[in-house]
This record gives sequence, structure tokens and C-alpha cells, in this order.
Amino acid sequence: QKEVEQDPGPLSVPEGAIVSLNCTYSNSAFQYFMWYRQYSRKGPELLMYTYSSGNKEDGRFTAQVDKSSKYISLFIRDSQPSDSATYLCAMSAHLDSNYQLIWGAGTKLIIKP
Amino acid sequence: DTEVTQTPKHLVMGMTNKKSLKCEQHMGHRAMYWYKQKAKKPPELMFVYSYEKLSINESVPSRFSPECPNSSLLNLHLHALQPEDSALYLCASSQVIRAAARGYTFGSGTRLTVV
Repeated sequence: QKEVEQDPGPLSVPEGAIVSLNCTYSNSAFQYFMWYRQYSRKGPELLMYTYSSGNKEDGRFTAQVDKSSKYISLFIRDSQPSDSATYLCAMSAHLDSNYQLIWGAGTKLIIKP
Repeated sequence: DTEVTQTPKHLVMGMTNKKSLKCEQHMGHRAMYWYKQKAKKPPELMFVYSYEKLSINESVPSRFSPECPNSSLLNLHLHALQPEDSALYLCASSQVIRAAARGYTFGSGTRLTVV
């Protein structure tokens, strides 16, 4: 079993829909949770960062962390064709010098006009 | 300036060539990273530099040789690569290693093809 599981998709939704992207994880020590967006042939771009449990909102994007279920989500409201990209979750447990991010496989999202 | 700049954007090299990838950031970040990303896969960590010193080497073959000449520059020297090394090579930075838990800034990458 991988440490972080993420459905690779593709997930195809109509413009204006609410999108839900999810990751599950097995390591209860993870404390830092991130969502990156990656357009084709570009580097990943940090969208949201959350520490421990709870919600965080930034414009049309909401990140949720449920540590009891080991489940994180990214919601996109009023989805736009420009949101079409691959969304990667990443998480971390340590803040010492041996720090490392653990990545999900990425979900390809397609927003149809 | 909140960018990480990578050059070249594309590179085609033969298996006997020597080439270098370059990464530059002017955000004052003191941790810099090289990642390799194959198609439809997440990035794989290769090297981490902290305050210009190599901190982590993820068992990368010696045909990849990193260098950090100063706090703004990171190079990746390539020699005798194999076709399976073809990938997107990403540079990233964070304020310090501990700050990476709050996210990196990535460059756009160098798309490398080994023929």
C-alpha cells in the first residue's frame, strides 16, 4: 500500500460545477498538507497549504483535512476551463533536517466549456 | 521576484554528451531542490541543498552531478545519460528546509530527451 493514494482520473466535469479532489494517506504522523496544480509541460504551483486538521479557503478553492479519517480534499467552486490541469496532493511529517514531501499520483481534471 | 528560472527549457542530448541544467532564484531562499518527473507521475526528489551544502542525495546515479555555486544558483551536470533518464527536470526552492513543509516554489522545468 502506498503512503498516499490519489485517483489519477481523468475527472471530467462541466464548467461551473463544484469539483472535489481527494487523497487518502496511511501515516498518522503527517501534519502538513499541500495541494499543487500542474499545467501540461509546466512545473507544479502551490495552491493551498494546511497544517493539521481543519479547513482553509482561498477564493474559489477550499482545502479540508480530516486527520481522524486520514483524508484530505480540495474543492473548487464555479470551475472554469482554465482550472483544467493535474492536481497533486503532497504531505509531510517532519520538520528536521531529513524532511521530505510524500506525493500523491496526481488527478487529471478536465473542465468542459 | 517570486520566480524560479530554469534553463534551457528543452534539451536533446546523446548518450555520450555532457550538458548542464541551470536554476536561478532571487527570493533569498536557502534551500534548493532537484526533482525528476516522468509523464503522469509525481515528482521524485533527487537532491537537496541547504545553505549551499548538499543535504540529501536520494541514491541518484553518479551520471547526475549537482552543484550549488552560490545561494541563488543550482546546476545539474549530466554525463553519459541513458534514454530512460528522459524526463522533466524540476528545480524548486524554499526559505529553508523546514519551510518546505509549507510548500516549494517550482521552476517550469527542463524537458530532457536522451537519444
